[in-house]
Amino acid sequence: QLQLQESGPGLVKPSETLSLTCTVSGGSISSSSYYWGWIRQPPGKGLEWIGSIYYSGSTYYNPSLKSRVTISVDTSKNQFSLKLSSVTAADTAVYYCARLVITIFGVVTEFDYWGQGTLVTVSS
Amino acid sequence: QSALTQPASVSGSPGQSITISCTGTSSDVGGYNYVSWYQQHPGKAPKLMIYEVSNRPSGVSNRFSGSKSGNTASLTISGLQAEDEADYYCSSYTSSSTLEFGGGTKLTVL
Repeated sequence: QLQLQESGPGLVKPSETLSLTCTVSGGSISSSSYYWGWIRQPPGKGLEWIGSIYYSGSTYYNPSLKSRVTISVDTSKNQFSLKLSSVTAADTAVYYCARLVITIFGVVTEFDYWGQGTLVTVSS
Repeated sequence: QSALTQPASVSGSPGQSITISCTGTSSDVGGYNYVSWYQQHPGKAPKLMIYEVSNRPSGVSNRFSGSKSGNTASLTISGLQAEDEADYYCSSYTSSSTLEFGGGTKLTVL
């Protein structure tokens, strides 16, 4: 059974960089059938897609966050990571990592497996 | 403000059916059959309920069904049960090769 687990600091200071890692177990991150993504959810609010990465390193980012986001992959460790720079209180959220299905047409569609999520608070 | 519009809340009694709408544009919902729906209970990660407009993943009850007409997708839950009370989110692929979510709908089972 595929499992994803987020890890990283739960508290980040304003203006600093938020860094999270997602470890994938029970399957290979190098599968040609999937992208891997990050989604966040501010307390009491809805879901926001942050970005996604293929095992080759190809990425797609939410245009509203693109200038501050970097997603990378380490296939040797079966992990992918998120960096969000210049954070403010508005970046306080539960951050989820998830697997993203690719159709035969190369289109990313649904998130079929999710991590449990990790709360990151931005505060001094 | 979310790109996809959902009602903030819907409610129904046990055994009834409810429908949640998700309205976008021709650049997302209307342009592709890549709409998915997620169920989220408090404090839990979202769970995929419907993918590619109307397909159910293995293990999801057939009381859940999806459809689409024009720029609006819909999730219907029939035979409402107490355990269906949760937040529901739609998501769509877009013409910019990105993904977007709806604002979410809180389902209350009366």
